[in-house]
Amino acid sequence: DTAVSQTPKYLVTQMGNDKSIKCEQNLGHDTMYWYKQDSKKFLKIMFSYNNKELIINETVPNRFSPKSPDKAHLNLHINSLELGDSAVYFCASSQDLHPANEQYFGPGTRLTVT
Amino acid sequence: AQKITQTQPGMFVQEKEAVTLDCTYDTSDQSYGLFWYKQPSSGEMIFLIYQGSYDEQNATEGRYSLNFQKARKSANLVISASQLGDSAMYFCAMREGIGNQFYFGTGTSLTVIP
Repeated sequence: DTAVSQTPKYLVTQMGNDKSIKCEQNLGHDTMYWYKQDSKKFLKIMFSYNNKELIINETVPNRFSPKSPDKAHLNLHINSLELGDSAVYFCASSQDLHPANEQYFGPGTRLTVT
Repeated sequence: AQKITQTQPGMFVQEKEAVTLDCTYDTSDQSYGLFWYKQPSSGEMIFLIYQGSYDEQNATEGRYSLNFQKARKSANLVISASQLGDSAMYFCAMREGIGNQFYFGTGTSLTVIP
């Protein structure tokens, strides 16, 4: 039983295409996140949702649009993909916003834009 | 200013020896949480250990312990009796107050030598 799952695990696509990455957590958590990890392994937060409400929207191109249909899901849609979007995208969840609560990460989606 | 600083991009340790991975943080909040995550070459992010700002004792989880020095704002990870499977990237992270965001360091790549 995977706690935080992401699909697909690998995504290879051409510049200009539109793609989505799906994330689901079965932990009953209130808070979900999207991170981008670049080739230097730096983890950068992109978005965070709490109870389906957007609470963090970092400086991310508006080609990236998150969508949370319910508390268990946070999907990431990317329009007009660019070479620089190539990275590993991690979904994560935490019980809520309390500082003691760790994040549980999904396995990551490796996006390659050619 | 960086919220989380990890000054060791790479570390080597002999198998069965102990190793300390450094982490310093910057916050003006009284309530915060400190976390360490491990990322093996397979890519997943694994939660290792948590320390709360009000915890008086250092956190321990099996072979992992967190050397928490509040006045110095440091939260070093100590791995005792290193094993080959400990070779991975290690990330220090912090969550402030009733925080929306996790701040991650740039990571330390640990290699355990047989």
